[in-house]
Amino acid sequence: TQLLEQSPQFLSIQEGENLTVYCNSSSVFSSLQWYRQEPGEGPVLLVTVVTGGEVKKLKRLTFQFGDARKDSSLHITAAQPGDTGLYLCAGARGSQGNLIFGKGTKLSVKP
Amino acid sequence: NAGVMQNPRHLVRRRGQEARLRCSPMKGHSHVYWYRQLPEEGLKFMVYLQKENIIDESGMPKERFSAEFPKEGPSILRIQQVVRGDSAAYFCASSPPDRGPSNYGYTFGSGTRLTVV
Repeated sequence: TQLLEQSPQFLSIQEGENLTVYCNSSSVFSSLQWYRQEPGEGPVLLVTVVTGGEVKKLKRLTFQFGDARKDSSLHITAAQPGDTGLYLCAGARGSQGNLIFGKGTKLSVKP
Repeated sequence: NAGVMQNPRHLVRRRGQEARLRCSPMKGHSHVYWYRQLPEEGLKFMVYLQKENIIDESGMPKERFSAEFPKEGPSILRIQQVVRGDSAAYFCASSPPDRGPSNYGYTFGSGTRLTVV
């Protein structure tokens, strides 16, 4: 059983389109993080959301943490080919050192 | 300011051989985490270490796998008598002692891709 479900698994869009990817769970997390991973590289942290209902913006990326701290979404406005990659969400539980990762959403933005 | 350094980037081993994966954390980071990523799978936690201590090894297979983080030198993930199912990308991450990953996230290395033939 996957603790963090990400959807969609794959997304292929044209440059300039908007998109939203989701990260859902039946469990409560103390924080949720989003990473982007390119082929052959390690994941790179984009954002950490800690408070239920929190919204964070990073240029064209908007991250939201659900009120109940069980889910999160990532919205990209006017996608660019440079946004192509695997987007991973990861949940933390309390002060534990390890994170629980979803399987990721593979995004392809075509010029 | 070097990031998390992992080597080798690619490692090929025959079944039954040993694999040693090395990780040097970022400067000032004393906490190291190892994750394994299989194709089409998310990252799975293996082990969390601080200098000379294993803090959490709940994700590590009981047999053939071991990890250490000595006082001096890199952290080592060791896989003895490798089997084909060990083929995966192994990532190391680090965090500083006063900024836990739950609030501040990890800095990952570029990974070691292990292929068992």
